[in-house]
Amino acid sequence: DQQVKQNSPSLSVQEGRISILNCDYTNSMFDYFLWYKKYPAEGPTFLISISSIKDKNEDGRFTVFLNKSAKHLSLHIVPSQPGDSAVYFCAAFSGSARQLTFGSGTQLTVLP
Amino acid sequence: ETGVTQTPRHLVMGMTNKKSLKCEQHLGHNAMYWYKQSAKKPLELMFVYSLEERVENNSVPSRFSPECPNSSHLFLHLHTLQPEDSALYLCASSQDPPSGGPNEQFFGPGTRLTVL
Repeated sequence: DQQVKQNSPSLSVQEGRISILNCDYTNSMFDYFLWYKKYPAEGPTFLISISSIKDKNEDGRFTVFLNKSAKHLSLHIVPSQPGDSAVYFCAAFSGSARQLTFGSGTQLTVLP
Repeated sequence: ETGVTQTPRHLVMGMTNKKSLKCEQHLGHNAMYWYKQSAKKPLELMFVYSLEERVENNSVPSRFSPECPNSSHLFLHLHTLQPEDSALYLCASSQDPPSGGPNEQFFGPGTRLTVL
């Protein structure tokens, strides 16, 4: 059973609007959550992370929100740009296991 | 070269072939990873090497054999694979243990493997 789930395989958003990517997890022992972005023919690249003791982390146009009671996190991109079009992976880090568990990814398409 | 490199980028092999995937990291990290990414599925962790010792293999079939001769190089030796092994194989590296933060892993571009 998947411990990290991204239930939306794809999302389309108009340029300039907000993109909201969602992720759910089942293991309450995860210490950090990370978002990676992947372009075709490239490996995933780290985007932003959040500690399990925080509920928000912001970096420029990217903000990650964590709702521990709901075991849910989201990545907000505002304003969205065509260059943001990529697959976004949610990942959870367990300090005890020292490894990342990934979701299946969401393909974001930002329309000009 | 910078970051994490992988060769070859594409590989087509028959089920009886033996081939190897190579990964090299230029980041001074001490941990390296092999992941498998199949279409529409999460990245699956296959192997972890920390300080050149294997610490995790996640019940991967023996037809996949990793080798880590030093902290900068990682190989995945392939032997008698099955068509369902066709996937993108990603290598990553990180500094382990993480210095009080999450395990930020840096990925290579991957090898697209097709098994006929």
